[in-house]
Amino acid sequence: DIVLTQSPASLAVSLGERATINCKSSQSIFYSSNNKDYLTWYQQKPGQPPKLLIYWASTRESGVPDRFSGSGSGTDFTLTISSLQAEDVAVYYCQQYYSTPWTFGQGTKVEIK
Amino acid sequence: EVQLVESGGGLVQPGGSLRLSCAASGFTFNTYAMNWVRQAPGKGLEWVSTISGSGDNTHFADSVQGRFTISRDSSKNTVYLQMNSLRADDTAVYYCAKGGDASMAVFDFWGQGTLVTISS
Repeated sequence: DIVLTQSPASLAVSLGERATINCKSSQSIFYSSNNKDYLTWYQQKPGQPPKLLIYWASTRESGVPDRFSGSGSGTDFTLTISSLQAEDVAVYYCQQYYSTPWTFGQGTKVEIK
Repeated sequence: EVQLVESGGGLVQPGGSLRLSCAASGFTFNTYAMNWVRQAPGKGLEWVSTISGSGDNTHFADSVQGRFTISRDSSKNTVYLQMNSLRADDTAVYYCAKGGDASMAVFDFWGQGTLVTISS
């Protein structure tokens, strides 16, 4: 199984500042046949289901604010919130869909400093 | 507007069975894969099962293989998760999630979830 390790487990960022979350895969999730990385990012606010933010490692889902961006390839990926807003307080998960079982990172909790 | 509404959760004794349902609307149901993802209390997300749009292909996490089955009824726009031989570690909120255009395992819409509690 592919293991995704997120870091940090939690972080506190001031409003308007940048938040960076890392996701490291135990093996490459890059498919050379289509030049794509099989990674998504989800946001889960308290008491709510997860919401898709990013897929193909860097493609923003429709309606997601452009302060959210995804980067990386192969085994190392990053979710960046360029200017943290109060409504961004949530737990963020990465997920790989390169091979079954589809697996998630353990989550990163983002709070306001 | 895509809507996914789960039902069927509840309190069940260890060894018991439960069938979850997920009623879907707002999209062409038989075009998309459907998934179940669970979240134990205070824990992270765990993928459980996927069924293709046609229903011909299914996938299961090792933790539920042989105990859970997934099916879909295109006449009712509903996907089901039959859970047998339930254990305490199956306790979780079970989410139904729609597979996306990019991949069956990009979960682009989620239901609100239904709570399953396994306890004597």
